[in-house]
Amino acid sequence: DQQVKQNSPSLSVQEGRISILNCDYTNSMFDYFLWYKKYPAEGPTFLISISSIKDKNEDGRFTVFLNKSAKHLSLHIVPSQPGDSAVYFCAANVGGGADGLTFGKGTHLIIQP
Amino acid sequence: GAVVSQHPSRVICKSGTSVKIECRSLDFQATTMFWYRQFPKQSLMLMATSNEGSKATYEQGVEKDKFLINHASLTLSTLTVTSAHPEDSSFYICSASLAGLDEQFFGPGTRLTVL
Repeated sequence: DQQVKQNSPSLSVQEGRISILNCDYTNSMFDYFLWYKKYPAEGPTFLISISSIKDKNEDGRFTVFLNKSAKHLSLHIVPSQPGDSAVYFCAANVGGGADGLTFGKGTHLIIQP
Repeated sequence: GAVVSQHPSRVICKSGTSVKIECRSLDFQATTMFWYRQFPKQSLMLMATSNEGSKATYEQGVEKDKFLINHASLTLSTLTVTSAHPEDSSFYICSASLAGLDEQFFGPGTRLTVL
């Protein structure tokens, strides 16, 4: 049973526009959520995170929104740049740094010029 | 930011041999290290959690006698795949976390191919 779901395997967005990546979770114990960017044959790179006590966190071009009642979070990238093309993983855990992460299957974001 | 290294980056071995993968936190002392496995076009799956000086905690379905984890210091954890078989071929990634911080910092991964 997948506790973290990313239902869009891929997403294509034009350069300069907004990219919205979605993630749903089923485990109500999760209280910390993270987004990672990953290139093939490399480890994930941390992008942004949010704890369950917040509903929004912003860092430069990246904003993460959390809707606890819907068990849904999204990552907004604006404006999208060619270098943003990668696979984006949503991850969650309980309690933050001391707990292993449960990852979604990833969304391959393709930024078109 | 915090840097985590893994060695080797790629390894090819014969079936039945053992392979050791090292994970090091280079500029910080990691209170906890994690080992993940990624199959092609699939998500990262947590294998085990290790804290320095104590036994690793394995996820359900992960054989602890096959995947030996040693966390000898606050900067080094090792994963040994014993008696490797072709089905163990995968991309193994470690991460490290620091007390007081919620983020995990990932290593670059190790591609294991068992012939």
